[in-house]
Amino acid sequence: AQSVTQPDIHITVSEGASLELRCNYSYGATPYLFWYVQSPGQGLQLLLKYFSGDTLVQGIKGFEAEFKRSQSSFNLRKPSVHWSDAAEYFCAVGAAEYGNKLVFGAGTILRVKS
Amino acid sequence: DAGVTQSPTHLIKTRGQQVTLRCSPKSGHDTVSWYQQALGQGPQFIFQYYEEEERQRGNFPDRFSGHQFPNYSSELNVNALLLGDSALYLCASTKSGPARLYFGPGTRLTVT
Repeated sequence: AQSVTQPDIHITVSEGASLELRCNYSYGATPYLFWYVQSPGQGLQLLLKYFSGDTLVQGIKGFEAEFKRSQSSFNLRKPSVHWSDAAEYFCAVGAAEYGNKLVFGAGTILRVKS
Repeated sequence: DAGVTQSPTHLIKTRGQQVTLRCSPKSGHDTVSWYQQALGQGPQFIFQYYEEEERQRGNFPDRFSGHQFPNYSSELNVNALLLGDSALYLCASTKSGPARLYFGPGTRLTVT
């Protein structure tokens, strides 16, 4: 069965500090991988995606993620966090073999302290 | 470009009632998916519509049904509402092909 694990429910970082959010997946097919961000009461905004090719992908708002097939991971990183990055972050996985269905992790809530 | 729009924004229903949620896809998109996001959880796939037919379905009971219209807009219907149906319902659209979804802002359903 397909699954996505985000081990950290909450993370608190200081403004200006670096950030890494973890994501591990279990998927039978060659995966597409995504990170979405959700602010309170809002829908989901795509930060970045990996389909194939370069395993280090750049996204919006200064985020990047690295796909590591051997570790079944797709961790999200940002070198310097801004207060406006406080939100909930979701990792998701899909595959062409499964149509456009995405399987999401439970999310990580990011708090930024000044 | 209006993006994906959903209506209503919020809705309160009583157990046993029926509800209809609406979604208009992003311009140029022909595939609509629905997701349920319970409080504190990630979104869960309900089903997907393409060419006015249900193409894929997640692990949801038959109380959840949908429809896609010729203009690609979609409805989600839930019958015999349960307290556990309280959630944010997200609509997402895409042009047919690999997954690249644009999500709407969601409809917050509260069942009392």
